[in-house]
Amino acid sequence: DQQVKQNSPSLSVQEGRISILNCDYTNSMFDYFLWYKKYPAEGPTFLISISSIKDKNEDGRFTVFLNKSAKHLSLHIVPSQPGDSAVYFCAASARAGNMLTFGGGTRLMVKP
Amino acid sequence: NAGVMQNPRHLVRRRGQEARLRCSPMKGHSHVYWYRQLPEEGLKFMVYLQKENIIDESGMPKERFSAEFPKEGPSILRIQQVVRGDSAAYFCASSLSQGPLGETQYFGPGTRLLVL
Repeated sequence: DQQVKQNSPSLSVQEGRISILNCDYTNSMFDYFLWYKKYPAEGPTFLISISSIKDKNEDGRFTVFLNKSAKHLSLHIVPSQPGDSAVYFCAASARAGNMLTFGGGTRLMVKP
Repeated sequence: NAGVMQNPRHLVRRRGQEARLRCSPMKGHSHVYWYRQLPEEGLKFMVYLQKENIIDESGMPKERFSAEFPKEGPSILRIQQVVRGDSAAYFCASSLSQGPLGETQYFGPGTRLLVL
């Protein structure tokens, strides 16, 4: 029972272009969503989050969009840089509990 | 370094031995979480602790696994009688609080456990 899904295991983008990573969830109790970036042999690094009361949050090159009716969120990175190459995880939590439920990750490759 | 600290970074155990993984949260954080990542998978929640209390252990295997977060010292994840299927990366995270503004969990570098 995967409550958070990232359907694209990998994504390849040219440097300077936009990267769009997608995430779908099924649990309507989720009200807080986060994106993490992970390099091999390191822990996940927090990137950006969004509460269910918003539909957009922006931080520099990173923007997260939330569509509650579709139970879908996306992370936009623009412009993409080679250093952005990593695995990106979407995660969700519900106010009633603090555990994070993670998607399976999307491997982003930004080509110079 | 004020980040989440984990040690050891790598741990090799033979089947049947015990593994102890340590986690020191970020300064000022009193909420600790343990997650496990099996090869080619996402992170799976194991347990959520506050000082001296286990708040949610719904992700912990029923046998051989235990966790604590004592009043003094790091949080410990203990795996008794390890089996090969326990080989994974174990990540600790901490957060400032559990309210809407404090829900962001910050992760440590992980402990990679290999069971021979």
